[in-house]
Amino acid sequence: KAGVTQTPRYLIKTRGQQVTLSCSPISGHRSVSWYQQTPGQGLQFLFEYFSETQRNKGNFPGRFSGRQFSNSRSEMNVSTLELGDSALYLCASEEENTGELFFGEGSRLTVL
Amino acid sequence: KNQVEQSPQSLIILEGKNCTLQCNYTVSPFSNLRWYKQDTGRGPVSLTIMTFSENTKSNGRYTATLDADTKQSSLHITASQLSDSASYICVVSPGGYNKLIFGAGTRLAVHP
Repeated sequence: KAGVTQTPRYLIKTRGQQVTLSCSPISGHRSVSWYQQTPGQGLQFLFEYFSETQRNKGNFPGRFSGRQFSNSRSEMNVSTLELGDSALYLCASEEENTGELFFGEGSRLTVL
Repeated sequence: KNQVEQSPQSLIILEGKNCTLQCNYTVSPFSNLRWYKQDTGRGPVSLTIMTFSENTKSNGRYTATLDADTKQSSLHITASQLSDSASYICVVSPGGYNKLIFGAGTRLAVHP
């Protein structure tokens, strides 16, 4: 069974640009959540999607948005990038029976 | 306010030694508590999930305990190996569609 796949793994952007990150969950998982992790910081919850609907949202500005498609794949977008957006962005899919989260390897974003 | 606090923030031990990481939480309601291991630059991997009624759960050399009365959990690592060097994250789920509450993690370094 394939794990959670995130693309791209690494990317470099400049301030003011926008970025789109992709996450393919484990087959059969309908819930996808996104997290931001900055150096030395814990995981900060961004949002969660379930069956194409946003079920929960963290305390991030409106520049951070996401969506989920009918095949459960999810994307998150960050517009008008700032230096402080440099981070590891992690996606996780949830096994409904146990609530266990399975994380991808992350997308490391560097904003110059 | 829902919070998860982990201690120590960082820890250095010698290979072969045991160690215990602590997690205190003030989350209500409570559904389950999870421990994750995160290698540097990688996504977290689940070690254990414990519900209210479970006092202890093991995964190889990792043993987690839960005291729901005092709202404390610990992760004990036996006979540490170099590969145990990682961050260990305690996560509490309030249940339902509520978002998970993450601790800041304990960074463990195992030296030869």
